[in-house]
Amino acid sequence: QKEVEQNSGPLSVPEGAIASLNCTYSDRGSQSFFWYRQYSGKSPELIMSIYSNGDKEDGRFTAQLNKASQYVSLLIRDSQPSDSATYLCAVNMNTGFQKLVFGTGTRLLVSP
Amino acid sequence: NAGVMQNPRHLVRRRGQEARLRCSPMKGHSHVYWYRQLPEEGLKFMVYLQKENIIDESGMPKERFSAEFPKEGPSILRIQQVVRGDSAAYFCASIGTVNTGELFFGEGSRLTVL
Repeated sequence: QKEVEQNSGPLSVPEGAIASLNCTYSDRGSQSFFWYRQYSGKSPELIMSIYSNGDKEDGRFTAQLNKASQYVSLLIRDSQPSDSATYLCAVNMNTGFQKLVFGTGTRLLVSP
Repeated sequence: NAGVMQNPRHLVRRRGQEARLRCSPMKGHSHVYWYRQLPEEGLKFMVYLQKENIIDESGMPKERFSAEFPKEGPSILRIQQVVRGDSAAYFCASIGTVNTGELFFGEGSRLTVL
């Protein structure tokens, strides 16, 4: 089992729709979770962090965490073509120090 | 507002040569991570360093790869006797002493091995 799993996609949504990106992780002791956005040929950019169960909203983005199910998701409301990118889920493994393990990413395509 | 600085941005090497990638963390950050990203794949952890210390190198290949973060100067990722499979983007990320877990990435160094 991979430490962090994501569907590679592509996930295609029309402009204005809600995009839902999902991620599962294997280490039950993990405490912090992150979503990064990566445009083709660019570096990853942090867009959301979440540390406790429930929802966390920031503008059009909502991160959801369910530690019991070892599941974290990212919702993007009112999707825009500029949101088209690869979204990387990252989990801080319970190793005693900071160590982010990344999923392989989900490619999101938002069509005008 | 200096972020994480990596150089060179692009590096071309022939098989058997050495590649040296440099990373200067954000101002005030003393922890550096190196990740490798193969084409169409996710980021793979390689090594975590503090100044003058290697904290975790569990992701480093056993041979040809080494990393350092000296007291003065940038962190260096060194790849000896490069092979075509080393062609990838190598990203450096830094973190401050505050334990937020948030990594800030540089623009990456893209290594092409001919």
